[in-house]
Amino acid sequence: QVQLVQSGAEVKKPGSSVKVSCKASGGTFINYAICWVRQAPGQGLEWMGGIIPVLGRADYVQKLQGRVTITTDASTTTAYMELSNLRSEDTAVYYCARTTWEGGHYYGSGDWGQGTPVTVSS
Amino acid sequence: DELTQPPSVSVSPGQTARIPCSGDALPKFYAYWFQQKPGQAPVLVINKDTERPSGIPERFSGSSSGTTVTLTISGVQAEDEADYYCQSADNSGAWVFGGGTKLTVL
Repeated sequence: QVQLVQSGAEVKKPGSSVKVSCKASGGTFINYAICWVRQAPGQGLEWMGGIIPVLGRADYVQKLQGRVTITTDASTTTAYMELSNLRSEDTAVYYCARTTWEGGHYYGSGDWGQGTPVTVSS
Repeated sequence: DELTQPPSVSVSPGQTARIPCSGDALPKFYAYWFQQKPGQAPVLVINKDTERPSGIPERFSGSSSGTTVTLTISGVQAEDEADYYCQSADNSGAWVFGGGTKLTVL
């Protein structure tokens, strides 16, 4: 049974960075991809990017290119999402999800973390 | 590569709710449906267009026809009141979500 446990809530100042972790248990970590999704208050779900550890490849949504970095540490079966130059509009709940990457795309998944609230405020 | 859902659907208890999701890439990629209740993480209720994950009630079903997929909830119960999101992939391989549909049980 896959379990994804994310780090706790964060409060950050505008212009700073946040790094959210997602520890996976169950299954072979390197065989799967990890995607990150965020949800601003009262808004819908937004895909931020994904990483395929076995390929060493990360993909990012265009609007966040240059500000978001997704990495993994296979030794601790943990994925990380770092978002820099934070703005108030980055206030959201951030989710990780474990999935597979085949045929050039990320498949959907029911394996999600519990979410990490990030508040950006001066 | 957008997915379009109605903002809201309302049904009475025991009736059937249908939530459509349309997108040009849907014939190429699987669709997934998520239920999200306030303050909770999304829960997968339909996998790969039509599959119901373990633990999801039988009243939830999915169908696909061309550029439209549909989530059907038969015999809606009060506990089904939630936001529902469809999700698929776009031509770059990334996830794409519909805007979400608020299901109200009258």
